[in-house]
Amino acid sequence: DTEVTQTPKHLVMGMTNKKSLKCEQHMGHRAMYWYKQKAKKPPELMFVYSYEKLSINESVPSRFSPECPNSSLLNLHLHALQPEDSALYLCASSLMTDSYEQYFGPGTRLTVT
Amino acid sequence: RKEVEQDPGPFNVPEGATVAFNCTYSNSASQSFFWYRQDCRKEPKLLMSVYSSGNEDGRFTAQLNRASQYISLLIRDSKLSDSATYLCVVTGGYSSASKIIFGSGTRLSIRP
Repeated sequence: DTEVTQTPKHLVMGMTNKKSLKCEQHMGHRAMYWYKQKAKKPPELMFVYSYEKLSINESVPSRFSPECPNSSLLNLHLHALQPEDSALYLCASSLMTDSYEQYFGPGTRLTVT
Repeated sequence: RKEVEQDPGPFNVPEGATVAFNCTYSNSASQSFFWYRQDCRKEPKLLMSVYSSGNEDGRFTAQLNRASQYISLLIRDSKLSDSATYLCVVTGGYSSASKIIFGSGTRLSIRP
């Protein structure tokens, strides 16, 4: 089973709202990732968790706050977003970081109004 | 120079044709290489890893040329369902921190 699940599939939020995106995998992977993807662009890496610890933050604004409650779950907390943050947010996991294949979830399509 | 470069295409080829595209990378210390395909408004899906010895999976063949710093993907007997954007991914680098770089993608369109 190479499934990564993400909820919700779609999210519309105002600039003053607080919301969370959720990601789950049961493949025993120890690395999990958040990506942001705009239309016709490749995914941009935001955060990497390795063994439930944040190992990479690609200079992401603090209005995005990741959390890894356990080895299977990854959350992305959103607060005071801007319209330009509207994008597809993808979660991925891999056995470990670096040289391992990543498996992506279907993404959450976020619209900030 | 971008760290990972791909010809954006689109490549528009007839069904049954053979098509190939490359992905060049600038960091000679890069360690691992992958091809993903992404359909419109869907997530990237792993197509294949690229090994030093090359690898083949059915109609798909991937090669790595470390001397010239590029990877390639060859699709034989192309099908309509092969229409997608193909993303190369290069990982690893000088430091121990993860370095994951996506190419900008090559759009492939197969026509009947």
